[in-house]
Amino acid sequence: DTAVSQTPKYLVTQMGNDKSIKCEQNLGHDTMYWYKQDSKKFLKIMFSYNNKELIINETVPNRFSPKSPDKAHLNLHINSLELGDSAVYFCASSTYRGPGELFFGEGSRLTVL
Amino acid sequence: AQSVTQLGSHVSVSEGALVLLRCNYSSSVPPYLFWYVQYPNQGLQLLLKYTSAATLVKGINGFEAEFKKSETSFHLTKPSAHMSDAAEYFCAVSAVTGFQKLVFGTGTRLLVSP
Repeated sequence: DTAVSQTPKYLVTQMGNDKSIKCEQNLGHDTMYWYKQDSKKFLKIMFSYNNKELIINETVPNRFSPKSPDKAHLNLHINSLELGDSAVYFCASSTYRGPGELFFGEGSRLTVL
Repeated sequence: AQSVTQLGSHVSVSEGALVLLRCNYSSSVPPYLFWYVQYPNQGLQLLLKYTSAATLVKGINGFEAEFKKSETSFHLTKPSAHMSDAAEYFCAVSAVTGFQKLVFGTGTRLLVSP
């Protein structure tokens, strides 16, 4: 059973389209994250939710809208896709307080043409 | 604010040689420190973590790291490289207090030649 699973694994789409990525974790964690990894492998946190409440929003354009229907799920919807949105998006989960570790999904590679 | 700096975007070693990947951190509060590994087309996997107990931390696959407060360093080592160690390695820091917000370094690609 995959601990943190993301779908889809690959998305290829045109500029201006809207797309969603879904994430689910079965680890019983109460905190989930979205990270963006760019073409140079740099990982940057985008959002974090704790028990469905947004706790981190790292100055991400408001075209990106996360939604957490429950503490085991965190989805990412992106409107009006731009070329610069091409990246690998990683979902992760953890317990709320440290020193725990983040458990990552396998990533969703988004390519905007 | 917290940050980590990884020296060297690429490190090349021969199989059987010592692996040394460098990480220096900056933190205004006591840090937790982590090393993660990313194999091609996969997510990140924790190698080891420092949580203010022992300064020498042992992780999976024979890796270890030493926390040196005086040098603000947390370098990753392995005595003998294996071909399967070829991957991207990330150092990360978070604060001891507060929730888990990991800040990652820019990564170091380890290349292992036969």
